[in-house]
Amino acid sequence: DIQMTQSPSSLSASVGDRVTITCRASQSITGYLNWYQQKPGKAPKLLIYAVSGLQSGVPSRFSGSGSGTDFTLTISSLQPEDFATYSCQQSYSTPYTFGQGTKLEIK
Amino acid sequence: QVQLQESGPGLVRPSGTLSLTCAVSDGSISSSDWWTWVRHAPGKGLEWIGEIYHSGRTNYNPSLKSRVSMSVDNSKNQFSLKLNSVTAADTAVYFCAGVGPKGWFDPWGQGTLVTVSS
Repeated sequence: DIQMTQSPSSLSASVGDRVTITCRASQSITGYLNWYQQKPGKAPKLLIYAVSGLQSGVPSRFSGSGSGTDFTLTISSLQPEDFATYSCQQSYSTPYTFGQGTKLEIK
Repeated sequence: QVQLQESGPGLVRPSGTLSLTCAVSDGSISSSDWWTWVRHAPGKGLEWIGEIYHSGRTNYNPSLKSRVSMSVDNSKNQFSLKLNSVTAADTAVYFCAGVGPKGWFDPWGQGTLVTVSS
């Protein structure tokens, strides 16, 4: 199985901050990397697909980059509604696997 | 966009079988080639359970393969999950979702909590 490791596991930030979350795969997954946002009691929401594709309806302050094994999710200017847990997912090969999640909290 | 809704018992006895259905509405189950199940156990990351093609072909997570089965009913616009020999470790919120062309998951159902307890 491909292991996905996110860092940090938690992060405190303020409204307006620029935030970067990192996801590392245990082997190359080329461009098969997706990002989700999840709020308590809710389903995950697709934010970024195929490394850098912005899902319809997702604000442009969210962006993704990377290739091979190292990927990042960046939020350019945090808004109050962005405080949530973010997870990466590799879809290069089954079993599809997720990172353990990064909990973004208000400072 | 299609809407997904999970349904099934919220409580399953240990050693029993967990059975869930995902109903597809506001569109056809043929709108996506693949459909998937994902679970989220308390305090853990998301776990992929498996996926099913609209023809019935399946891929399962090897960690659950011996206990899981999925099926699709195109006439009812729904697909289903069965997980047998459950234990407390199977307690989780179970989500169904569509699978995009490169394996991303969207849309998602709202999720349903299944508790394994006597």
